[in-house]
Amino acid sequence: NAGVTQTPKFQVLKTGQSMTLQCAQDMNHEYMSWYRQDPGMGLRLIHYSVGAGITDQGEVPNGYNVSRSTTEDFPLRLLSAAPSQTSVYFCASASRVTEAFFGQGTRLTVV
Amino acid sequence: AQRVTQPEKLLSVFKGAPVELKCNYSYSGSPELFWYVQYSRQRLQLLLRHISRESIKGFTADLNKGETSFHLKKPFAQEEDSAMYYCALSVVGYSSASKIIFGSGTRLSIRP
Repeated sequence: NAGVTQTPKFQVLKTGQSMTLQCAQDMNHEYMSWYRQDPGMGLRLIHYSVGAGITDQGEVPNGYNVSRSTTEDFPLRLLSAAPSQTSVYFCASASRVTEAFFGQGTRLTVV
Repeated sequence: AQRVTQPEKLLSVFKGAPVELKCNYSYSGSPELFWYVQYSRQRLQLLLRHISRESIKGFTADLNKGETSFHLKKPFAQEEDSAMYYCALSVVGYSSASKIIFGSGTRLSIRP
């Protein structure tokens, strides 16, 4: 049972580069979300989705795009990476009756 | 607006001492609250949720709607409790599905 799978685990980008963080879940959860974890700031919601074709902004959406073409996948795109986006990113999924299940995280460094 | 507040960034207690991690929330609806824990180099995982009213690893948390609090407690801390703890609020959205909002987290350090 894979649960929530995130790739890559680590990534170094140069300022201005773009990339996509992948997230996939195999639990048929309708809810998926992306958080960034920064020291002293906790987990801040970037974007979330309540089902295929539906996405919404969280607390810190600027500089990130998402799409939800299938129930299983919820990729996060960094359009033009900035040093302020250096962080650990977590993907999570949940259903209406379960708690959130998290991926292992992606440690991103922008230089 | 929905908000979760954890006032302590770091809590350090001796082994065997009682532990209380504070969590306050702001939400006009009926809240569903959770505590998540992140051990070193591991992913976040659920510790407990208020609707189950159970004790996990000796931890309990009671929802106090009057004080809008959901503090996490353990009577006798153990060294393996050292971790990052997050309080979270599940907010029912327009489609009846929820988004989950986290507090800023409290790092619990248990001294031997």
